[in-house]
Amino acid sequence: DADVTQTPRNRITKTGKRIMLECSQTKGHDRMYWYRQDPGLGLRLIYYSFDVKDINKGEISDGYSVSRQAQTKFSLSLESAIPNQTALYFCATSDWTSGVQETQYFGPGTRLLVL
Amino acid sequence: DAKTTQPNSMESNEEEPVHLPCNHSTISGTDYIHWYRQLPSQGPEYVIHGLTSNVNNRMASLAIAEDRKSSTLILHRATLRDAAVYYCILRDYNYGQNFVFGPGTRLSVLP
Repeated sequence: DADVTQTPRNRITKTGKRIMLECSQTKGHDRMYWYRQDPGLGLRLIYYSFDVKDINKGEISDGYSVSRQAQTKFSLSLESAIPNQTALYFCATSDWTSGVQETQYFGPGTRLLVL
Repeated sequence: DAKTTQPNSMESNEEEPVHLPCNHSTISGTDYIHWYRQLPSQGPEYVIHGLTSNVNNRMASLAIAEDRKSSTLILHRATLRDAAVYYCILRDYNYGQNFVFGPGTRLSVLP
């Protein structure tokens, strides 16, 4: 089984709808992240969480919210989806206690289309 | 955040070595150099990282210039599976900064 899973893998929604993307991990890591990727571009950080009680905004948090339900689960919500939120969304985890060896582990991604 | 500059794309022939360059002229003394790659239809994956000395692992080698203003990721024998976007990222360990993924270098491997 994959260490970082994302559901759904693909989603089509309409403008104005609220949707939730879910991420689960079995790596036992404290830190979790949500990124979005637009065609031909790198990844941009939306939100990140260092533990269940610590959630921080990233570079492009407007229009998004998150919930860290447990150490293993980190959900991303689009409160009112708009077409320019059409993108590929990645969840990632990392283990801060490994210090300089900290490596991010990514899920397979969720492809979102907002009509 | 210190920035990195990479070529948009590169091509290589299968089973030949590939040298992927990265310029980071504003690197600070506590910036580590990380490389990730993103295979088609997948999330990024860790490749290698280093501070000052050259580094080797089972996937690749990282050669770091003496002045640390540039580095090169070396794939010793490219395979078709190595076709991916390669990201060079600087991260200041002391400040626990997040990873900043630029557009990277798209590597094509020709059979």
